[in-house]
Parts: sequence; C-alpha cells; structure tokens
Amino acid sequence: ILNVEQSPQSLHVQEGDSTNFTCSFPSSNFYALHWYRWETAKSPEALFVMTLNGDEKKKGRISATLNTKEGYSYLYIKGSQPEDSATYLCASNQAGTALIFGKGTTLSVSS
Amino acid sequence: NAGVMQNPRHLVRRRGQEARLRCSPMKGHSHVYWYRQLPEEGLKFMVYLQKENIIDESGMPKERFSAEFPKEGPSILRIQQVVRGDSAAYFCASSPSGGFNTGELFFGEGSRLTVL
Repeated sequence: ILNVEQSPQSLHVQEGDSTNFTCSFPSSNFYALHWYRWETAKSPEALFVMTLNGDEKKKGRISATLNTKEGYSYLYIKGSQPEDSATYLCASNQAGTALIFGKGTTLSVSS
Repeated sequence: NAGVMQNPRHLVRRRGQEARLRCSPMKGHSHVYWYRQLPEEGLKFMVYLQKENIIDESGMPKERFSAEFPKEGPSILRIQQVVRGDSAAYFCASSPSGGFNTGELFFGEGSRLTVL
C-alpha cells in the first residue's frame, strides 16, 4: 500500500521567515506528486503537480522540488506571510492508482 | 463557473440510520473521487467513479458503504446503518479527464457527518 509521509506535522514561524516541508513517497512505479494548500473552512486547492525527476515549480513565493529516485519532494515558502497559514498536503500515486495523501503539515505564521 | 458542490455540509444521524452525501462535480468534469477524513487523520481514498461506472472502490469499506454517479445528477455516497465510527468529513473531488492521471483534483468543501 502506498504510504505518503509528511514532516513536520506542524510548525510555527514568524512573518518574513522562510520555511520548508518534506514529503516522502515510494519511488517505485512513481507516477505523479501533488501539493495542495488547505485553508481552514475551505477546500484543498492544488499548488503543483509534478511528474519528472528533478522538476522544480514555482508560484510566487512558493516553490517545490521533486526527487523521484529517492522518493521525496520539498515545498519551500520564502518570506512567510500570515496569509500563508494553512495545512499543506502532499499526495502521490503510482500508475493506475488513486492519489494517496499524507497527513499534511500545518503552518502558522505570526505577524 | 461553480466549483465542486457538496451537500449537505453538515449531517447528523443516529446510529442505524442512513446517510446520503451528494457531490456535483465542476462543469465539464466526468470523474469523481470520494475521500474521508477521520479525526486526526489525513484524507483517505474511498472510491473513484466515472459516469455510470465505478472504476476503483479499493478504499471503500466492504459493508454498508456504496457510491454511484448516475448519467444525470450528482454522485452519491450512501452509508447504511451508520455507526459512531462513521463520523468524519467526507470530501468529493473531480477532474476533467482520464483516470488517475497527472491532472490536479478540484475539491468540494466537504460534508461533515456526525453520528450520535
């Protein structure tokens, strides 16, 4: 069974700090890696979908990298702002299988 | 363009009753996925459906749970004879195209089921 692990479970940073989270997943038969942002009382929204080893994607102050050979992805937030406070979900799948989610990293940014 | 719509947002049932959760995918999306979030847990895959077909139900409990996505109307997740352990948030997601592809999922805001 595919197991996606995220760390840390939660973290608290000050406004302006840069931070990063880790997602690990099985590297065998890898198909895709997704990152979602989930704000309280809202629905998860996709940030990135990555498929190729070495992929790097960026959206504003948020970026992500992918290493499919060793089975990990990093999400980086540069200069955290209070509005970045949310739970960040990582999900991965193998070819022909459902997207499996990690438990998420909950980020709290204080002003 | 309306997003994924789920209703009811909150549902309270007594043990033994039936719960029906509905999901209308985004316009143009023909693939629906149901996930369950138990307290202190992540999103757990339950079932993947296309119009009139169940593609993958590997995450569905073997008993009491069923899902459908008819040709017309929303997808429905049905839980018969609910027990307290069924209390959870149930999320629906949709995608425009083929199967477990690399496209992102579009989520609804979830239906929170409480079983008394």
